[in-house]
Amino acid sequence: ETGVTQSPTHLIKTRGQQVTLRCSSQSGHNTVSWYQQALGQGPQFIFQYYREEENGRGNFPPRFSGLQFPNYSSELNVNALELDDSALYLCASSLGGYGRGAFFGQGTRLTVV
Amino acid sequence: AQTVTQSQPEMSVQEAETVTLSCTYDTSENNYYLFWYKQPPSRQMILVIRQEAYKQQNATENRFSVNFQKAAKSFSLKISDSQLGDTAMYFCAFMSVYSGGGADGLTFGKGTHLIIQP
Repeated sequence: ETGVTQSPTHLIKTRGQQVTLRCSSQSGHNTVSWYQQALGQGPQFIFQYYREEENGRGNFPPRFSGLQFPNYSSELNVNALELDDSALYLCASSLGGYGRGAFFGQGTRLTVV
Repeated sequence: AQTVTQSQPEMSVQEAETVTLSCTYDTSENNYYLFWYKQPPSRQMILVIRQEAYKQQNATENRFSVNFQKAAKSFSLKISDSQLGDTAMYFCAFMSVYSGGGADGLTFGKGTHLIIQP
């Protein structure tokens, strides 16, 4: 157990809808990042938050947005859902940078129909 | 941009055998971190081992060890005395030191599905 929890575990949405995924980071970790893992692929970096500010972003469109709260928990919001957004969404927390490794939650499986 | 390549989509070995998973990467940077993560069917990515590029000594964690060849940009994972619980997807990942604390995130390979047979 890493102490990183995500909710919900599974979610089904309709194309065009909006979705919010949640992540509670490991105690003491001030950095949260989000990844999208399509079936049979490695995770792809979406963005990272450090002390409530986005400080890094991968190659994802602006309809992927996020928040980090003062307690370092985080949300991932995706607007105008597309069928290709169907994937496992992973949250990872770390203390500062990743030097000691990022610790992942169990993920949210999003299915867009 | 960095890339990570895992050339073995799937491997299968008998319990108690030793197995080596391959990983190569491409970067122009001199300082970085490398990781191996395990993802069992429960989906949670579990950190297995990490290596700092400026350290020549290969990292070890119990039955897990790496062979880090910086010049060849190779980072293989060796699992000794393999156990049934080692069955999982294994991902190699790269992180740049220069991105301000991982702000570029981790770059993952496509993974190797390791099956330990009883």
